[in-house]
Amino acid sequence: DAGITQSPRHKVTETGTPVTLRCHQTENHRYMYWYRQDPGHGLRLIHYSYGVKDTDKGEVSDGYSVSRSKTEDFLLTLESATSSQTSVYFCAIRGIAGESEQYFGPGTRLTVT
Amino acid sequence: SQKIEQNSEALNIQEGKTATLTCNYTNYSPAYLQWYRQDPGRGPVFLLLIRENEKEKRKERLKVTFDTTLKQSLFHITASQPADSATYLCALPFSGSARQLTFGSGTQLTVLP
Repeated sequence: DAGITQSPRHKVTETGTPVTLRCHQTENHRYMYWYRQDPGHGLRLIHYSYGVKDTDKGEVSDGYSVSRSKTEDFLLTLESATSSQTSVYFCAIRGIAGESEQYFGPGTRLTVT
Repeated sequence: SQKIEQNSEALNIQEGKTATLTCNYTNYSPAYLQWYRQDPGRGPVFLLLIRENEKEKRKERLKVTFDTTLKQSLFHITASQPADSATYLCALPFSGSARQLTFGSGTQLTVLP
């Protein structure tokens, strides 16, 4: 998984609780991304970062915030989890030497009850 | 807004045959197109990138074509094997920002022994 780890790998939480997912990379990539994947919708971009403290919204950013205080870590926070945020979340990095290809982490399965 | 469609949700073929998957897009003229493979429970893995000025690209048993007039890419796996069974995703650079990719919802390929 291209030196990308995600934690936790699985989480069950209750509606209304805050949740933070962590993505960690070891290869000093500038661009990092958070996606969610749901049946029938494919991968949808939540937020991305193009450097420390530089982030931007994606297609489905409502209800999510991100932070990147170090190059290697990109955090995704659900301020108050809802059942509609039950999903599989993937972190990705953009290749350095390649042509904008992305390399994905193993994913986090989040269930909001 | 740009839209990506992959020909079908599922495709079954016999081992040894050629699998052909389709990716159509609208409202956009991308500079390149990418294909990814995703196995159950794992993140997508980058396979190939083809640029708008390339008609065809090959990698081992994989062949990708890119027809910018038809706004279509075809992804072929020749001499298919059961190990090729996976979901295949196409991706385009997002029209509003080259930093982002937009993914199709994928085609689940099953190669029957």
